[in-house]
Amino acid sequence: DAGITQSPRHKVTETGTPVTLRCHQTENHRYMYWYRQDPGHGLRLIHYSYGVKDTDKGEVSDGYSVSRSKTEDFLLTLESATSSQTSVYFCAISGLDLGDQYFGPGTRLLVL
Amino acid sequence: AQKVTQAQTEISVVEKEDVTLDCVYETRDTTYYLFWYKQPPSGELVFLIRRNSFDEQNEISGRYSWNFQKSTSSFNFTITASQVVDSAVYFCALSEARDDKIIFGKGTRLHILP
Repeated sequence: DAGITQSPRHKVTETGTPVTLRCHQTENHRYMYWYRQDPGHGLRLIHYSYGVKDTDKGEVSDGYSVSRSKTEDFLLTLESATSSQTSVYFCAISGLDLGDQYFGPGTRLLVL
Repeated sequence: AQKVTQAQTEISVVEKEDVTLDCVYETRDTTYYLFWYKQPPSGELVFLIRRNSFDEQNEISGRYSWNFQKSTSSFNFTITASQVVDSAVYFCALSEARDDKIIFGKGTRLHILP
């Protein structure tokens, strides 16, 4: 299994509070991604990174920011959480050739 | 723009039947990759296969097989002699070579009934 972890695995928070999710990899892969999964929508890309300090937006980036200061860590921040951001968040990694993309175990976020 | 369509939202079959999950994609690129992932009830996402656009050979892995047809922009997935453990949500995905992103379809939920 690819060495990819997410923390926390579960989080309950209140509307308006900041939330940061962490993705950590031990594979030294270049690419890292954040997706959200919602019923009826499948997996939607939020942000991705193609190297340290190199990030770009996905299809549902509004309300989210990311940072990657080290190869192994990719942080997703909800500056002011809203109920519409209640979801399951998956981190993924892939190598240079966009080969097999491996996913973390997911983080369940509930915004009340 | 790239797009992946999985028209079958939910499928139910009786154990041991064969079942095919459809995937139709759209891309302007001539070089691209197609993927299938499995998400069992436990929630993790499991990589099944990757195919590049220059390789149209069908792939077989045990009871799983994949049919890639560029002429119809389809990358269908067949499970032969289905088993209850095959019950899961299956996602098809596409990545264009000129892009760093992988775009997913909405998934097909497969129920294998005992």
